[in-house]
Amino acid sequence: AQSVTQPDIHITVSEGASLELRCNYSYGATPYLFWYVQSPGQGLQLLLKYFSGDTLVQGIKGFEAEFKRSQSSFNLRKPSVHWSDAAEYFCAVATSGTYKYIFGTGTRLKVLA
Amino acid sequence: GAGVSQSPSNKVTEKGKDVELRCDPISGHTALYWYRQRLGQGLEFLIYFQGNSAPDKSGLPSDRFSAERTGESVSTLTIQRTQQEDSAVYLCASSTREPTDTQYFGPGTRLTVL
Repeated sequence: AQSVTQPDIHITVSEGASLELRCNYSYGATPYLFWYVQSPGQGLQLLLKYFSGDTLVQGIKGFEAEFKRSQSSFNLRKPSVHWSDAAEYFCAVATSGTYKYIFGTGTRLKVLA
Repeated sequence: GAGVSQSPSNKVTEKGKDVELRCDPISGHTALYWYRQRLGQGLEFLIYFQGNSAPDKSGLPSDRFSAERTGESVSTLTIQRTQQEDSAVYLCASSTREPTDTQYFGPGTRLTVL
């Protein structure tokens, strides 16, 4: 069965520091991979997605993620974090051609001024 | 254009009561999804509607949960005889027909069962 693991429940970084949020998935074939962000009181917003092609994906708000098949990972990165990035981040996986997303349990990001 | 909207934003109910949660998808989106997000958990898929096809109800946790959708518009999620473990945020999302298309999420309904 497919699964998604986000090993870090909470992460705290200082404003201006770099950020990497980890995501590991379990799936036999090439999955569809997503990162969503959920700000307090807001719905989930898609940051970026990977289906095929270039393994480095650029998203909104300066985020990027890299698909590494050998490590079954899809880590989210940002070179310089802003205070407004404080939120909860969810990684999700879907099997190709289907609509069912499997979500990780999320990583809550705190940004120190 | 308007995004996905959900109502109510918050619902407090007593154990054993029935509740109805509403979702208005983005106009033109044929696919609609319901998810449940318990505190500290990821999102759990509940049900999927695509056009006039039979819905995929495989994620509904019990027969107390049901959902309907009128054509390609509004959907309601009904929970009968609510239990305390039903307390969660219920999220609705919509997308266009293709499975690879982005799911756009509403702000959710926070349900508290006392």
